[in-house]
Amino acid sequence: QKEVEQNSGPLSVPEGAIASLNCTYSDRGSQSFFWYRQYSGKSPELIMFIYSNGDKEDGRFTAQLNKASQYVSLLIRDSQPSDSATYLCAVNKTGNQFYFGTGTSLTVIP
Amino acid sequence: GAGVSQSPSNKVTEKGKDVELRCDPISGHTALYWYRQSLGQGLEFLIYFQGNSAPDKSGLPSDRFSAERTGGSVSTLTIQRTQQEDSAVYLCASSLSGPASGQETQYFGPGTRLLVL
Repeated sequence: QKEVEQNSGPLSVPEGAIASLNCTYSDRGSQSFFWYRQYSGKSPELIMFIYSNGDKEDGRFTAQLNKASQYVSLLIRDSQPSDSATYLCAVNKTGNQFYFGTGTSLTVIP
Repeated sequence: GAGVSQSPSNKVTEKGKDVELRCDPISGHTALYWYRQSLGQGLEFLIYFQGNSAPDKSGLPSDRFSAERTGGSVSTLTIQRTQQEDSAVYLCASSLSGPASGQETQYFGPGTRLLVL
């Protein structure tokens, strides 16, 4: 079982729609959770982090964490073509290790 | 500088040669990570430095890989006797503090694209 799992996609949504990206993790003791965006040929850039159960909103982005079910999701409202990228979920396990998922490719269709 | 810097940005080498990749973290960041990303793949953890503590080398794929961090700042990743399967993007990231500290958000450098012929 992988530490962090994401659907590789590709996920396609029309412009203006809500894009929903999901991630599950295996270590129930994981404490912090991150979403990164990676454009093709570029390095990952942080979008959001979340530590507590529930929702955290930042502009068009909402991160949702459910520790009981061991999943974290990212919602992108009013999706724009510029949101087209690969989205990486990262989890800080207990201890020093960070684990990244393989990413979900998102395409926003104009 | 304002962000994490890495050099060189691109490196082409011949199989069997040694290469050194450099990472200059954000000033004041005590934690430094090295990752490898192959084409279309996720990030593979290689090594983690935190302050003056012994590094976590558990992700290094073989003894051909080693890394140093001098003075708690600049880090060098060395790959000896390079193989074609070492071709990848090598990413460095730094964070203000280590995992579970509440300040562990990682900021990535632009990466070094290594091609072994």
